[in-house]
Amino acid sequence: SQQGEEDPQALSIQEGENATMNCSYKTSINNLQWYRQNSGRGLVHLILIRSNEREKHSGRLRVTLDTSKKSSSLLITASRAADTASYFCATDGYSGGGADGLTFGKGTHLIIQP
Amino acid sequence: NAGVMQNPRHLVRRRGQEARLRCSPMKGHSHVYWYRQLPEEGLKFMVYLQKENIIDESGMPKERFSAEFPKEGPSILRIQQVVRGDSAAYFCASSYSGGYTFGSGTRLTVV
Repeated sequence: SQQGEEDPQALSIQEGENATMNCSYKTSINNLQWYRQNSGRGLVHLILIRSNEREKHSGRLRVTLDTSKKSSSLLITASRAADTASYFCATDGYSGGGADGLTFGKGTHLIIQP
Repeated sequence: NAGVMQNPRHLVRRRGQEARLRCSPMKGHSHVYWYRQLPEEGLKFMVYLQKENIIDESGMPKERFSAEFPKEGPSILRIQQVVRGDSAAYFCASSYSGGYTFGSGTRLTVV
């Protein structure tokens, strides 16, 4: 079964509002990553948060990680039309580093309405 | 539906050998994407294929790497004359229209 599961499956908001997506997982992880995919394009890596980190920022992105609840959230502030895309979380359970065990969720489709 | 199947799960090659990685997309999916992930890094897009066509290979190294998705059979990512820097996990994903499913990856180790 899918390790990382995002919710909601789809989210539609007005431009300028904040968008929050959540991800839950089941097993122990080494790190958790968020990706964006624009329609018909490949994945773009957004941010990686390690299991010993609780929060990380990158521009308008804020990611939190709660290992006790096995959950993460991605917040996009001041959304723009260009943020319209699908967002995936992925967990890396390989304690020795590397990509073995990387598991993706099905994604949240975010639509920003002008 | 078995999902996206990649094999082998692990592959060890000596420097200078060839590596062939296979990806069988989900039934009915006609789009295949290949990604590479170096240790502790995110996935990096390599190539996007549809049946018998390469749509976007902007992420593919210009030399030694090639990919195909024939009319019949799995998609193949081929790396000739492997070097240590090719050691990574290679992921394949397939889609039909919007839905996107990843395989478990092939971990390539070059010794």
